[in-house]
Amino acid sequence: EVVLTQSPGTLSLSPGERATLSCRASQSISSRSLAWYQQKPGQTPRLLIYGASSRATGIPDRFSGSGSGTDFTLTINRLEPEDFAVFYCQQYDSSPLTFGGGTKVEIK
Amino acid sequence: QVQLVQSGAEVKKPGASVKVSCKASGYLRTGYYIHWVRLAPGQGLEWMGWINPYTGGSKSSPKFQGRLTMTWETSINTAYMELSSLTSDDTAVYYCASRYGPPTYMDVWGKGTTVTVSS
Repeated sequence: EVVLTQSPGTLSLSPGERATLSCRASQSISSRSLAWYQQKPGQTPRLLIYGASSRATGIPDRFSGSGSGTDFTLTINRLEPEDFAVFYCQQYDSSPLTFGGGTKVEIK
Repeated sequence: QVQLVQSGAEVKKPGASVKVSCKASGYLRTGYYIHWVRLAPGQGLEWMGWINPYTGGSKSSPKFQGRLTMTWETSINTAYMELSSLTSDDTAVYYCASRYGPPTYMDVWGKGTTVTVSS
């Protein structure tokens, strides 16, 4: 199975700063079959990005995804107070579908 | 837009089974898949499997094969996830999620069902 390793585990930033989250795959993911989700405590995961770089419906343009092969990045420009949460990457290139361990973006 | 409504919290003893339901409302077109994903305390999201409501076909993670049963009740538009031989490691919030199209990412999620396994 494809193992996704997210880094860093925790990112401490202030509102207005840029967040850069990494997701590395144990093998190449074809067709950029990678998604990103945001999850706040006690809430449901929310799809942010699919196809490595396409924003889901209603997602602000401060969220952007990039990458291919084994290295993918989620960038959040100008963090808003509501952006602080845990972020997960997920690959859907092969079964079983797998998620990364998550990156927590916390207020500094 | 499909909405998913899950059943309430469950408390089970080790060795027992749990069955969680996920009712889909709205227009569920052919081609929707229902996934099951769990979030254990202190852990990350974990994909368990998917079911295609129209074909009845399903696929589960090797980790759960032999313990996981996913079914669909057409008359009431409801998916079920049954997990057997529970241990404390199965304590988690269980989500159903869906997307129209191939079983890839998920853009509609249920609110989750908390399953606690404790003696």
